[in-house]
Amino acid sequence: GAVVSQHPSRVICKSGTSVKIECRSLDFQATTMFWYRQFPKKSLMLMATSNEGSKATYEQGVEKDKFLINHASLTLSTLTVTSAHPEDSSFYICSARPTEAQETQYFGPGTRLLVL
Amino acid sequence: AQSVTQLDSHVSVSEGTPVLLRCNYSSSYSPSLFWYVQHPNKGLQLLLKYTSAATLVKGINGFEAEFKKSETSFHLTKPSAHMSDAAEYFCVVSLSDTGRRALTFGSGTRLQVQP
Repeated sequence: GAVVSQHPSRVICKSGTSVKIECRSLDFQATTMFWYRQFPKKSLMLMATSNEGSKATYEQGVEKDKFLINHASLTLSTLTVTSAHPEDSSFYICSARPTEAQETQYFGPGTRLLVL
Repeated sequence: AQSVTQLDSHVSVSEGTPVLLRCNYSSSYSPSLFWYVQHPNKGLQLLLKYTSAATLVKGINGFEAEFKKSETSFHLTKPSAHMSDAAEYFCVVSLSDTGRRALTFGSGTRLQVQP
């Protein structure tokens, strides 16, 4: 149980295009999901907290108009990187916190984005 | 503010010898602490967590960690390393004071296991 999936696992796109990444909790409901970014050989940086049915909370320095987050249901959150640039290339990881277990987060396998 | 410091960026041990990965935290509140492992090209996996119950926490794959409030530490140990333990390990603190319970990750420790 407690599986979180991400799709796609890797994506290559051209500069200026938009890319959508999906994060799904497969066997539990998650009122809250989180989006992280991981640079090569670096730790995870929290980008935003996604709450079902409300606006996401972005961390300082993260552009909300560039990284659009939608949490339309209790099992799905999406991150859209708009007008992607090469510096957006990174490993994006989501996590989902079960509604019944507030201290636990389950992580997706990550999405590797390469912007050419 | 809360933070977590992993004291070693790389640790190398021989197979069958003990593992010690060090972590110190800073928190104004009673923290929740976690250790996660990340294998290459795989997702993060929870090894163990401390949430104000027993100070010695046992996790999966023979790992355990001890919460020491006086030392503000949460070091991860394993009596005998296995080749499959080679991975990146993250010490994590939960920002429970904000209500969001977002996680703050340490910088990570890469564990190498020599045959």
